[in-house]
Amino acid sequence: GAGVSQSPSNKVTEKGKDVELRCDPISGHTALYWYRQSLGQGLEFLIYFQGNSAPDKSGLPSDRFSAERTGGSVSTLTIQRTQQEDSAVYLCASSQLAGGVLIEQYFGPGTRLTVT
Amino acid sequence: GDSVTQMEGPVTLSEEAFLTINCTYTATGYPSLFWYVQYPGEGLQLLLKATKADDKGSNKGFEATYRKETTSFHLEKGSVQVSDSAVYFCALSAGNSGSRLTFGEGTQLTVNP
Repeated sequence: GAGVSQSPSNKVTEKGKDVELRCDPISGHTALYWYRQSLGQGLEFLIYFQGNSAPDKSGLPSDRFSAERTGGSVSTLTIQRTQQEDSAVYLCASSQLAGGVLIEQYFGPGTRLTVT
Repeated sequence: GDSVTQMEGPVTLSEEAFLTINCTYTATGYPSLFWYVQYPGEGLQLLLKATKADDKGSNKGFEATYRKETTSFHLEKGSVQVSDSAVYFCALSAGNSGSRLTFGEGTQLTVNP
């Protein structure tokens, strides 16, 4: 079946502009995660959704970052007033949880964001 | 907080050599442990996992054993192939926050023919 998809695959933006990154999880997966992969910082957790709610936003680096999920499916990560340090690959993953226990997280191919 | 430490890379081996990539962790509670692999130009894929002490995860000739006494989950393969060239990430899930993953820094493996 279809895996996790993300769009766009690449995004180049000017410093100060807003960007939106999209994630389509595997159908039926209730949990959705955003991570960021950057040089020098490795893979960092950003935010976790269970259904449409986000019980854990602790990884968002600043208030310029926000995310939402609608219909228990698609999620959008928004970065306002982008800065050069936001340049990274943004990864989305989805999972089916059973009683709070991880089954497996399936990752999308990522969106490579470059802020010039 | 939770953390994962991997051996520093990059690692370069000849084909059929033995591979070990060290991974140690710090976590509250009883985490599940994972190895993920990222092949060139591809997304992260789960390679293997272990959910309790002394469990051995295995896949594609790779193995790792959950050692609670040494808080380690070292990745091993007896005979590497050129196709194993990739970045390998050790990770843990402590069961909180929907089982979010905490990753190590990643180890770049290059296997030469």
